[in-house]
Amino acid sequence: NAGVMQNPRHLVRRRGQEARLRCSPMKGHSHVYWYRQLPEEGLKFMVYLQKENIIDESGMPKERFSAEFPKEGPSILRIQQVVRGDSAAYFCASSPIPGANHTEAFFGQGTRLTVV
Amino acid sequence: RKEVEQDPGPFNVPEGATVAFNCTYSNSASQSFFWYRQDCRKEPKLLMSVYSSGNEDGRFTAQLNRASQYISLLIRDSKLSDSATYLCVVNKGRTSNYQLIWGAGTKLIIKP
Repeated sequence: NAGVMQNPRHLVRRRGQEARLRCSPMKGHSHVYWYRQLPEEGLKFMVYLQKENIIDESGMPKERFSAEFPKEGPSILRIQQVVRGDSAAYFCASSPIPGANHTEAFFGQGTRLTVV
Repeated sequence: RKEVEQDPGPFNVPEGATVAFNCTYSNSASQSFFWYRQDCRKEPKLLMSVYSSGNEDGRFTAQLNRASQYISLLIRDSKLSDSATYLCVVNKGRTSNYQLIWGAGTKLIIKP
């Protein structure tokens, strides 16, 4: 049973370009979370998605960032017109039953975005 | 006040010693609590869930104090491989059970 798969592992973009980060949840999980981690900081919740639905995007910046989780295929976090401040590690996690007590989140290895 | 607060450390501890750190949370409605471990530049991994009655897993003991709204992690007989950042995680509360709030982490360095 493959774990959460994120790609690419490393992504370099020039300022103004678009970044697309992909996440395939664990088999049997249909709930995906995206987090951002800046250097020397904790994880910040960005968005929670189910298949074809955004449930909570309260952590997403209002502009340039979007996320989707289509019926088929991986979840995509999209950052348009990247700026240097977007450089961070972006982690995706999936869980089987959101809301259940002690539901753990399983993480992918992250995508490290560097904006030059 | 942050929703989940941790002492960032670093805690420098000799191998074999016992070390403990706490994490405070602000939302009294929170129901799920976890300790994750994150090694440098890697993804967080679940160390242990924290149950109301406290729980132990080998050298690791986790406790929950609802009255004072904190959880603790105790590591006995520390090993060099315990060096990592320990992340405290709390769910947001009954109406947003899925949303996990993460502390910034406590860095632990075990020295030989």
